Amino acid sequence: KAGVTQTPRYLIKTRGQQVTLSCSPISGHRSVSWYQQTPGQGLQFLFEYFSETQRNKGNFPGRFSGRQFSNSRSEMNVSTLELGDSALYLCASSPQPGQGSSTYNSPLHFGNGTRLTVT
Amino acid sequence: AQTVTQSQPEMSVQEAETVTLSCTYDTSESDYYLFWYKQPPSRQMILVIRQEAYKQQNATENRFSVNFQKAAKSFSLKISDSQLGDAAMYFCAYRSYGGATNKLIFGTGTLLAVQP
Repeated sequence: KAGVTQTPRYLIKTRGQQVTLSCSPISGHRSVSWYQQTPGQGLQFLFEYFSETQRNKGNFPGRFSGRQFSNSRSEMNVSTLELGDSALYLCASSPQPGQGSSTYNSPLHFGNGTRLTVT
Repeated sequence: AQTVTQSQPEMSVQEAETVTLSCTYDTSESDYYLFWYKQPPSRQMILVIRQEAYKQQNATENRFSVNFQKAAKSFSLKISDSQLGDAAMYFCAYRSYGGATNKLIFGTGTLLAVQP
């Protein structure tokens, strides 16, 4: 079974531009979440989608947005890029949102990330 | 709000020796999950071990085990018989039990070096 696939692996953009990152979850997984990883702030939760609906959102400005398609693939978009948006963006998938006992929980499976550099 | 703290930015261990990575957390919830993830240079986060807060027994996965102290809000990871492939960044993470969410709250990580 293929793992979580993120494209592209590397991206260089200029301040003010916008960028779209893509995440294809493991087949059968319907929950997708995104994280931003930077040396200064560490790993921070961006948002989480399930069945094309945003279930949870982290504390990021409105320039950060996402969506999920009917095939569970997800994209995140960052508009008006700033230097501080340079980061590794990680996507993770799971069969469904975690809830209650471990019967309904599967660990998150992460992709290799997209390294975004803003110049 | 929940927080996770890893106070050891870097650790080093000799091959075949044992090392313990520390993690403390703060929460007002009584039920939750705790995780240790490993991130090698390939960047992919890999689940090492998981602990459910309502289980008193410490989780074990082969050479990896945890010391979960709920009252002290402590969750340390012990790696026995360390191998070169264990060298990576290790993150402690917290997830709420309810709320139908997979949202993880991560610590700042501990970079583990394994010396041959």
